[in-house]
Amino acid sequence: AQSVTQLDSQVPVFEEAPVELRCNYSSSVSVYLFWYVQYPNQGLQLLLKYLSGSTLVKGINGFEAEFNKSQTSFHLRKPSVHISDTAEYFCAVGRGATNKLIFGTGTLLAVQP
Amino acid sequence: DAGVIQSPRHEVTEMGQEVTLRCKPISGHDYLFWYRQTMMRGLELLIYFNNNVPIDDSGMPEDRFSAKMPNASFSTLKIQPSEPRDSAVYFCASSKQGAYEQYFGPGTRLTVT
Repeated sequence: AQSVTQLDSQVPVFEEAPVELRCNYSSSVSVYLFWYVQYPNQGLQLLLKYLSGSTLVKGINGFEAEFNKSQTSFHLRKPSVHISDTAEYFCAVGRGATNKLIFGTGTLLAVQP
Repeated sequence: DAGVIQSPRHEVTEMGQEVTLRCKPISGHDYLFWYRQTMMRGLELLIYFNNNVPIDDSGMPEDRFSAKMPNASFSTLKIQPSEPRDSAVYFCASSKQGAYEQYFGPGTRLTVT
């Protein structure tokens, strides 16, 4: 069975500092990987996705993620964060059989001035 | 595109009452998902449909919960009778066959007193 692990429940960081949010998945078959962002009192919004091809994926708001098959990881990075990046970030994995996604437990990114 | 539409945005009801949540997916999407989000349990998949047919309802917590999709542009999630522990934010999401990424609605915040 597939699973997604987000080890960090909360990541505090100062404004303009770099950040990495970690995501590891378990699956023995090819997977599709996603990062979503949830701002307070809103739904989840797609940040970026990996389906195939280049392992470095760029998304909205200056975020990027790198698919590492050998380490089964899909970490999210941003070189310089803003206060407005404060939100909950969810990693998700899917397989080709259906459009069902397995979501991680989320990481709260708390950007401090 | 209007995105996924959910109504109502907020619902406050008394224990024992029937609650109906509504969702309009993005036009042309084949899959529809219902999720529940709480602080304690995070984001849970309740049920999903493909071409209006329920595929997996293993996440539905009890027989008090039921979901229908009478046509491609409308789905309901019903709770009867409601209980205080049903208080949560309920999200609807849709996706297109082969595209995998899901698009979320703004959610319905349900409070059962």
